[in-house]
Amino acid sequence: GAGVSQSPSNKVTEKGKDVELRCDPISGHTALYWYRQRLGQGLEFLIYFQGNSAPDKSGLPSDRFSAERTGESVSTLTIQRTQQEDSAVYLCASSVAGFSGNQPQHFGDGTRLSIL
Amino acid sequence: GENVEQHPSTLSVQEGDSAVIKCTYSDSASNYFPWYKQELGKRPQLIIDIRSNVGEKKDQRIAVTLNKTAKHFSLHITETQPEDSAVYFCAAIPSNFGNEKLTFGTGTRLTIIP
Repeated sequence: GAGVSQSPSNKVTEKGKDVELRCDPISGHTALYWYRQRLGQGLEFLIYFQGNSAPDKSGLPSDRFSAERTGESVSTLTIQRTQQEDSAVYLCASSVAGFSGNQPQHFGDGTRLSIL
Repeated sequence: GENVEQHPSTLSVQEGDSAVIKCTYSDSASNYFPWYKQELGKRPQLIIDIRSNVGEKKDQRIAVTLNKTAKHFSLHITETQPEDSAVYFCAAIPSNFGNEKLTFGTGTRLTIIP
């Protein structure tokens, strides 16, 4: 079946502009995660949605970052007033409900964001 | 919070030899440990994972071992092939009750020398 889908695949924008990144999780996956990967580095957790529970926003680096999710489907990550340090690949992952323990997270191809 | 350390940062092995990558974690409550392979410009792909109730898991040429007492886990790749060249990330989740955020190691760039 279809995997996690992210759009756009690449985004170049000027410093100070707002950007919106989209993630379509695997159908039936109730958990959705956003991570950030700077060039040559590991993945940093940003935010996590699980069903109708309040999201875990503990990884968001500043109040310029926000995310929403509609039910158990699409999520959007918004970065306002972008800065050059926001340049990174933004990765989305999804997993089935973890009722029987942690479930594998499956990643999308990411959005490569470049701030000029 | 959880802290995951990964070593080495780079590793080169001759084709056919074995490769071992090691990770340590700080939170004794962590109970799920996946390994991801990421080729250049591609998405991280889950290659193997282990839960805290087992000490070892194998899948063909790949194996993962877990030592809960010492809080470390390792990835073993045997009979390495050129297509094994990639960056490998270990991760841990500090929860027993469902999905939580992954804390990743800093990655190991593995190069297989033909």
